[in-house]
Amino acid sequence: ELKVEQNPLFLSMQEGKNYTIYCNYSTTSDRLYWYRQDPGKSLESLFVLLSNGAVKQEGRLMASLDTKARLSTLHITAAVHDLSATYFCAALNYGGSQGNLIFGKGTKLSVKP
Amino acid sequence: DGGITQSPKYLFRKEGQNVTLSCEQNLNHDAMYWYRQDPGQGLRLIYYSQIVNDFQKGDIAEGYSVSREKKESFPLTVTSAQKNPTAFYLCASSISGPLGTQYFGPGTRLTVL
Repeated sequence: ELKVEQNPLFLSMQEGKNYTIYCNYSTTSDRLYWYRQDPGKSLESLFVLLSNGAVKQEGRLMASLDTKARLSTLHITAAVHDLSATYFCAALNYGGSQGNLIFGKGTKLSVKP
Repeated sequence: DGGITQSPKYLFRKEGQNVTLSCEQNLNHDAMYWYRQDPGQGLRLIYYSQIVNDFQKGDIAEGYSVSREKKESFPLTVTSAQKNPTAFYLCASSISGPLGTQYFGPGTRLTVL
């Protein structure tokens, strides 16, 4: 059974600092997604990582995937207040219901001045 | 504008009532999904449909039912058999089934009175 764990679950950062959110998954999956959710809102797709070693960057966010270690990271560079949100990773579960994305519990990021 | 719409935004249900949540998309996506989100948790799959007139149970289908009579519509009924229905419900769609990125609607917040 595929399980996805994110850490930390809560992250308070100062503006201008760097930090990394980790996403570990328990069984084979080669498709990893990162989403952003603002309070009371829907999920916004950030990145799709499709292969080992994949790296994608958008602004101050960079995501990577290591399928051998079953680990994805979301790196935040020089954080700004606008990045405050909850970030979810999700791995595609080939062994379960088809189309089943297994989500982590999310990392609630708060960027303070 | 292309997108996914959900209605209503807020819904209140009395004990023992069935309620139906609407999800419509004009993205011409084949696959549609329903997720449930509880506070501080990731998303869990309720049902999904890859084509019209076909749908599959997800991980937490008990107490829910769906239909897929049209490509653009995937309504979810929360039945009285669902003992703890208070949650945030998110509908998603993807262009080509499980391997496509899922895009989410704005969500419906259901509260049982």
